[in-house]
Amino acid sequence: EAQVTQNPRYLITVTGKKLTVTCSQNMNHEYMSWYRQDPGLGLRQIYYSMNVEVTDKGDVPEGYKVSRKEKRNFPLILESPSPNQTSLYFCASSSQAVPVFETQYFGPGTRLLVL
Amino acid sequence: AQSVAQPEDQVNVAEGNPLTVKCTYSVSGNPYLFWYVQYPNRGLQFLLKYITGDNLVKGSYGFEAEFNKSQTSFHLKKPSALVSDSALYFCAVSELTGGFKTIFGAGTRLFVKA
Repeated sequence: EAQVTQNPRYLITVTGKKLTVTCSQNMNHEYMSWYRQDPGLGLRQIYYSMNVEVTDKGDVPEGYKVSRKEKRNFPLILESPSPNQTSLYFCASSSQAVPVFETQYFGPGTRLLVL
Repeated sequence: AQSVAQPEDQVNVAEGNPLTVKCTYSVSGNPYLFWYVQYPNRGLQFLLKYITGDNLVKGSYGFEAEFNKSQTSFHLKKPSALVSDSALYFCAVSELTGGFKTIFGAGTRLFVKA
C-alpha cells in the first residue's frame, strides 16, 4: 500500500531533551516536507526537500533540523525542544521535485507535547 | 507573496442541503489551487485541484470547486451534504514564483447535522 508513515504518533517529552520524528514514504517520491498544524493557523511548512541531500527552510524552521540521506526517509529533529513546539506535525511527499502542480500525500501525524 | 484565506472557522449545514466552504487567494502569477480534507486523527487527504482549463473542478466524494479568477476565489461545494462529510477542510495555493511552497489556509470545520 502506498503510504507515508510517521513515528511516533504521540510523544510527550520535557524541555531540552532531543528527539527525532521519523518519516518514510514508499512511493519513490522526490519531494518531502514537514508541516506543523496549530489551531487557527492551519498548516505551516517547517522544512522541505526536493531530493536526496537537498533541503531548504519553510516558513517556520527555527528550532528544527532535517536531513535527507535516503530518498524514502526525511526525519525531523528537535535538538532542544521547547513548549512552543507543542503541536501536531505532518510529513508529506509528492512525486515531483517541484510540487507546484502536484498532490501531496500526508502521513497520519505526530502529536507532540513538550513540558 | 502568496496567501490564502478561509473566512469561516466553521460551517454548519443540515444533511441533504447544499454546502459551500469558502476560499480566497492572493498570488502574483497563475494560481494552482487545492482542497484537502482532514478527518479526526487522520492526515490530510487530497480532494481536488485546479491547475488550468475548466473553471469547475470535480473531485472525490462528490465535491466540486469553482475557480473564479476575477474574484480570486476557489469555493468548495457539494450539492447534498452527508453527515460523514463532517471534517476539517483546508484550501491551499501554490505558484511557480512561490519558492516551491504550498500555502495552506487556516481551515474550516464543517458540521453536517442529521
